[in-house]
Amino acid sequence: DQQVKQNSPSLSVQEGRISILNCDYTNSMFDYFLWYKKYPAEGPTFLISISSIKDKNEDGRFTVFLNKSAKHLSLHIVPSQPGDSAVYFCAASHFNTGNQFYFGTGTSLTVIP
Amino acid sequence: DTGVSQDPRHKITKRGQNVTFRCDPISEHNRLYWYRQTLGQGPEFLTYFQNEAQLEKSRLLSDRFSAERPKGSFSTLEIQRTEQGDSAMYLCASSVGSGTGYNEQFFGPGTRLTVL
Repeated sequence: DQQVKQNSPSLSVQEGRISILNCDYTNSMFDYFLWYKKYPAEGPTFLISISSIKDKNEDGRFTVFLNKSAKHLSLHIVPSQPGDSAVYFCAASHFNTGNQFYFGTGTSLTVIP
Repeated sequence: DTGVSQDPRHKITKRGQNVTFRCDPISEHNRLYWYRQTLGQGPEFLTYFQNEAQLEKSRLLSDRFSAERPKGSFSTLEIQRTEQGDSAMYLCASSVGSGTGYNEQFFGPGTRLTVL
């Protein structure tokens, strides 16, 4: 069962515009969420995280928003740059799963120069 | 480079053979994880070590799979009697942590296994 879902397999955005990547989850026990970025032939790289006690976390051009009632989180990248082109995975975890992260299927972002 | 390293990066084997992968975590990280990623999917958790103790195992980890972390440093993942369905990217990750705190996991580049 896919507990973390990314329903958009791909997204194209013009350089300088905002990229919005979405993620939905089904398990209301999840209380920690992360975004990872993956380039081809490399492992995922941690980007930003948020705990369920917050609804927003910002780090430079990257902001993650969490809507617990909707079981939805999103990653905003502003402004988008060509180097942001990669596959983005959201992941979630909760106390009872220990340190296991549940990953979505990924969204491939292409930033067009 | 002090990141997570994995060896080999690629492995091609014939069905029925045994394969072993190695992961060297970031040196001060006490937690080590193995994930499997197939095409079009996100990483799927396989198992987790805290120091040398294997604390969690996914139901994905059949009895043909075994993982060890004998001295709490590097880890090995062995697959016996490989099947074509084992073809995937095997990712290792490490993190610092204790108790129930969450810490981001740092991933290695992965070992791509192809079973012919």
